[in-house]
Amino acid sequence: SQTIHQWPATLVQPVGSPLSLECTVEGTSNPNLYWYRQAAGRGLQLLFYSVGIGQISSEVPQNLSASRPQDRQFILSSKKLLLSDSGFYLCAWSVYTAGELFFGEGSRLTVL
Amino acid sequence: DAKTTQPTSMDCAEGRAANLPCNHSTISGNEYVYWYRQIHSQGPQYIIHGLKNNETNEMASLIITEDRKSSTLILPHATLRDTAVYYCIVTDYGQNFVFGPGTRLSVLP
Repeated sequence: SQTIHQWPATLVQPVGSPLSLECTVEGTSNPNLYWYRQAAGRGLQLLFYSVGIGQISSEVPQNLSASRPQDRQFILSSKKLLLSDSGFYLCAWSVYTAGELFFGEGSRLTVL
Repeated sequence: DAKTTQPTSMDCAEGRAANLPCNHSTISGNEYVYWYRQIHSQGPQYIIHGLKNNETNEMASLIITEDRKSSTLILPHATLRDTAVYYCIVTDYGQNFVFGPGTRLSVLP
C-alpha cells in the first residue's frame, strides 16, 4: 500500500535561518507531488507541484523553493526564513489518472 | 484562485443529514468535483469525487446538478466527529488541486 512520510513534524526556527522539509512517498511510482501551506486559521495555499523529477511549478512567488531529486522525494527549502513563513506545511501526492490527493501528517513551522 | 464558492459555515444537528452546497459555474467538461475535509491540525482527508453522475460511498453521497454548475455533499447521519472544514474542489484529473476557504461544519449535540 502507498504511504507518505513527512518530516520533521514540528520545528521552531529563528528569522533568517534556512529551512528544509522533506517528503517521501512509498508504494507508487511517478506520482504528482504537492506542497501546501496553511497559516493559522486560514485555508490551504498551494505552493508547488511537480509532475516528474526536476519538474516544479510554483504557484506563489516567495522565498521558498522546492526540488524533486528523486521520483518519490519532494523537498521544500528556504535560504532565509521570514516571520510570515510560519504555518502548517503539508506534502501530498496523487496519481494522474485517479486524481485523489493523499496528504502527509504535516510539519508545523514556527518562525521567531 | 479556487473555482468554487461555498458557504463559510453551517450547523447540523447530530444524527441528521448534513447537506453542504458548492457552486462551480465555470466548470469545464473534463473537470471533476472533489470533496475533502480537514479536522483541526490534520491533513485533509479525501471524501468523494464525481464527474457528472451522482456518487455514493461509505462516507457520503455527491449530488451533481445536470448542468454541473453546482453540487451537494450529503453526510446522511452526521456525528460529532464530522465537525470539520469541508472543501469542494474542481480539477481535471487531479493535477492541480486548489483549495478555497471551504465550509466549516459544526455538528451540534
